[in-house]
Amino acid sequence: KAGVTQTPRYLIKTRGQQVTLSCSPISGHRSVSWYQQTPGQGLQFLFEYFSETQRNKGNFPGRFSGRQFSNSRSEMNVSTLELGDSALYLCASSLLTTGELFFGEGSRLTVL
Amino acid sequence: AQRVTQPEKLLSVFKGAPVELKCNYSYSGSPELFWYVQYSRQRLQLLLRHISRESIKGFTADLNKGETSFHLKKPFAQEEDSAMYYCALSGVAGGGADGLTFGKGTHLIIQP
Repeated sequence: KAGVTQTPRYLIKTRGQQVTLSCSPISGHRSVSWYQQTPGQGLQFLFEYFSETQRNKGNFPGRFSGRQFSNSRSEMNVSTLELGDSALYLCASSLLTTGELFFGEGSRLTVL
Repeated sequence: AQRVTQPEKLLSVFKGAPVELKCNYSYSGSPELFWYVQYSRQRLQLLLRHISRESIKGFTADLNKGETSFHLKKPFAQEEDSAMYYCALSGVAGGGADGLTFGKGTHLIIQP
């Protein structure tokens, strides 16, 4: 069974630009969560989607948004990028009944 | 607000010695606690969760509600245990999919 796939793996943007990251969950998993990982703040929950609906959202500004498609694939978007948005963005999928998260390798975003 | 504290950023022990990775949490309700592990060049993955009360790779963790702790223990460390360990909390029953709160992590190094 293929794992969680995130694209792109690495990207560099400049301040003010926007970025879209993609996540393909494990087949059959309908829940997709996004986390931001930085050296200073560690792993922080961004949002979680289930059946195309955002069920939970972390404490991030409105510049961070996401969506989920009918095939459970998810995208997250960050608009008006700031230097502090430089981070590893991790996607995780799960079967709701177990709650175990299966993580992707992440998308490393650098904002210059 | 829920919070997870891992007081040790780095823990170094010799092979064969006992290991204890500390985790304390703050949460007003009944949390679900997890330990996630990231081995070198691998994805973040679930090690164990308190609700299953399993021993995985020789590791155990007991939820102590009185002390609000969920320490991870192993009686005899092995070199392959070297990794980054994260304690995580979910405030939702059957949690994990609803947004985990992670600690900052402890880097465990097992010396030969």
